[in-house]
Amino acid sequence: AQSVSQHNHHVILSEAASLELGCNYSYGGTVNLFWYVQYPGQHLQLLLKYFSGDPLVKGIKGFEAEFIKSKFSFNLRKPSVQWSDTAEYFCAVLPGNTGKLIFGQGTTLQVKP
Amino acid sequence: NAGVTQTPKFQVLKTGQSMTLQCAQDMNHNSMYWYRQDPGMGLRLIYYSASEGTTDKGEVPNGYNVSRLNKREFSLRLESAAPSQTSVYFCASSERGGWTEAFFGQGTRLTVV
Repeated sequence: AQSVSQHNHHVILSEAASLELGCNYSYGGTVNLFWYVQYPGQHLQLLLKYFSGDPLVKGIKGFEAEFIKSKFSFNLRKPSVQWSDTAEYFCAVLPGNTGKLIFGQGTTLQVKP
Repeated sequence: NAGVTQTPKFQVLKTGQSMTLQCAQDMNHNSMYWYRQDPGMGLRLIYYSASEGTTDKGEVPNGYNVSRLNKREFSLRLESAAPSQTSVYFCASSERGGWTEAFFGQGTRLTVV
């Protein structure tokens, strides 16, 4: 069965530190990849997405992610985090043409001012 | 423009009771989804509807049924609620499967006692 794994469950950083959140998926075919963010008390919002083309994609608020097909990975990065980035981050995968959007377990990011 | 609207926002049920969670979207999207969110487990797909007239099981369909009433509405029914179904439920929609961004509702917090 297809699955998505996020390695870090809870990350604590100080402001201005760099961020990298890991995401791996299990599916051998074509995939569409997403990162969503859920700020406290709010619903999920899209950060960025990858469908095809340049494997380095840029999203909102200075986030970027790199798709490495050989590693089945789609890691999220930000060079310098802010207190306002405190939120839960979810990686999601759409395998092939299934229409079935599958999420990882989520990573809670806490940024200390 | 309301986006994705879920009702109710909060609900407490007794074990064995039934209820239907309602979801409606006003974006003319083809695909709709129901997820449950539990601490440490991310969002797990319960059912999805790739297009009007079709529904498919997700990762955790047991104990739930769905109805795609029309293009706008996708309801989730718990026939006989169990404490294990205590969770936050999110409805989402996207224009075309996962090829476009999924938009989420505000969630329904359900407690089964």
